Formats: sequence, C-alpha cells, structure tokens
Amino acid sequence: ETGVTQTPRHLVMGMTNKKSLKCEQHLGHNAMYWYKQSAKKPLELMFVYSLEERVENNSVPSRFSPECPNSSHLFLHLHTLQPEDSALYLCASSQTYNEQFFGPGTRLTVL
Amino acid sequence: AQKVTQAQTEISVVEKEDVTLDCVYETRDTTYYLFWYKQPPSGELVFLIRRNSFDEQNEISGRYSWNFQKSTSSFNFTITASQVVDSAVYFCALITGSARQLTFGSGTQLTVLP
Repeated sequence: ETGVTQTPRHLVMGMTNKKSLKCEQHLGHNAMYWYKQSAKKPLELMFVYSLEERVENNSVPSRFSPECPNSSHLFLHLHTLQPEDSALYLCASSQTYNEQFFGPGTRLTVL
Repeated sequence: AQKVTQAQTEISVVEKEDVTLDCVYETRDTTYYLFWYKQPPSGELVFLIRRNSFDEQNEISGRYSWNFQKSTSSFNFTITASQVVDSAVYFCALITGSARQLTFGSGTQLTVLP
C-alpha cells in the first residue's frame, strides 16, 4: 500500500451502533488529520494529531472519539451518531506545515 | 486569522476552452504556503501544487498554470485546453506558521462539457 488508505470506504450505521473508521499512512509523516465534508459545505477540520498527541479538537461532539496509537495509524470511533453526521470523512497526513496528502475517504450514512 | 475565498462556486466550460479559478487569501503572517487541491467525483483530494510566500514566480505544469500575486493576495489557477477529466471540485488552501493547519476555501465546482 502507498500513500494514505482508509477503511471502510462506505459505512451505513444506525444511530445506536458503534463503529470505527481507520486511517493508515505509509509516507513517514508526523501529523495526521480527520476532516468532515458534508454536501454543499466546506471541509471541516475535526482533529489534528502531531507526533501522536492531539493538538487540535475543533469543538467536535463527544460522539466522535479519535485515537492515534502510533504515527502511522489514526482511528475515529463513532457512537450514537445522528443523521446529520452523514458525510464523507477524510483522513490526511503531512510533515508539519507541508502539503497534506489525503486518503480516499469513508462515505458514512447514519440511518 | 486566516481566510481563503473562492468566489466562484460553479464554473461550466466546453472542452478545449481555457478556464481560470480564482483564489484570494487573507493573512497577517509574512511566511505562509498556498496550495491547490483537486477533488474528483471519487472523493479523494489530490494535491496539485504548493507555493511559499517568498516565491512569486509563476508555475506551469503541462496544461496547468498558477499565478501568484502578493500585491492582490491572489493565487489563481488556470487550466488550458480543458478536458472532461478536469471536471472536479478545486480547493485553494493556506497554511501559516502561526496557524499550523490548512485553511481551505469553499471550493469551485468545475464542469467541462464534451
């Protein structure tokens, strides 16, 4: 695998389910990011991890819980989501201040 | 605070036409980087170019060219002889030393018709 990979690519879940999104980067970068992209809305930065420490949390509801066990992996744990959380969730990685490389995204639908 | 404005929400052109996507940015930092990304229908954002604030030289890569003008705080992107495969959403973005994170514009949906 090269670049940034995300699994699953598509996810449908009920409001009471618990699921996790996975992101893996093979670029040797030291920072990883979660973004949310809803229809007709700008990209929203959710979380930033630098050297495995969370450095930014942009007022994201607690039903989204990130985890960064090492510099190559980033998870987004989901529980009791709402239909308005349906969106494309993008993971990215970078060396600090440099261009971010994005994964293909997970298309999430909450029923 | 940082801000990126892409005033063109949607642009439609016919194949082989040239098209320019506008990007205007705001920052008080003197050191910053500007980026363009392409997001095709598949969803993945593809990095196109990075430009630092000290290098105003225009850049050309194949059919793509970028015009960076600090005097007008603009970083415009031109596609020459557009093709249907250029249809995508294009995002301009900015990062500064003080912000540490990319600030994205709202994107421009480009549709190239055959």
